[in-house]
Amino acid sequence: EAGVVQSPRYKIIEKKQPVAFWCNPISGHNTLYWYRQNLGQGPELLIRYENEEAVDDSQLPKDRFSAERLKGVDSTLKIQPAELGDSAVYLCASSLTTRANYGYTFGSGTRLTVV
Amino acid sequence: SQQGEEDPQALSIQEGENATMNCSYKTSINNLQWYRQNSGRGLVHLILIRSNEREKHSGRLRVTLDTSKKSSSLLITASRAADTASYFCATDGETSGSRLTFGEGTQLTVNP
Repeated sequence: EAGVVQSPRYKIIEKKQPVAFWCNPISGHNTLYWYRQNLGQGPELLIRYENEEAVDDSQLPKDRFSAERLKGVDSTLKIQPAELGDSAVYLCASSLTTRANYGYTFGSGTRLTVV
Repeated sequence: SQQGEEDPQALSIQEGENATMNCSYKTSINNLQWYRQNSGRGLVHLILIRSNEREKHSGRLRVTLDTSKKSSSLLITASRAADTASYFCATDGETSGSRLTFGEGTQLTVNP
């Protein structure tokens, strides 16, 4: 099993440019999460999907961030336009059930640098 | 905002010694989880302890939970250089709607 796959691993863009991250969760995991992790801090949730429905996006900065999960499998997180403060690691995770009674499986993340 | 707070922020020990990390949280929880993160990598789930459990073991890991004090500890026995990583606690709050909230982590360095 490949685990949670994210791409790209690294991305460097100029401010005001758009950027997109892709995530393929573990097969059969209905719940998918996008987290952002700033340097030296713990991850913070951006959005949670149950199948194709975004059920918790209260911490997603909707003026510039958007996400989708087509057919309840792969997901894409987009930032447009990017700002310097968006530099961080963007982590995707998936879990089997809607409640966090099982651990999450995380991908290796995408490290975004906005210059 | 971060729910959990780890203590200490950084810990440096010699191989073979035990490492203890603590986590405090603020609200009632369904469960508390510990994760490890190696530099530049994603987080790896280590262990989950439910709110009605007080202690759990997994290999060299021992986790305790005291819901009256809203705190948990992670003990790694007989540490190895490969245990060097950041360790995070994460809480699944009763009112957080299945949202895992992470602390800021403890950076553990095990010197060979």
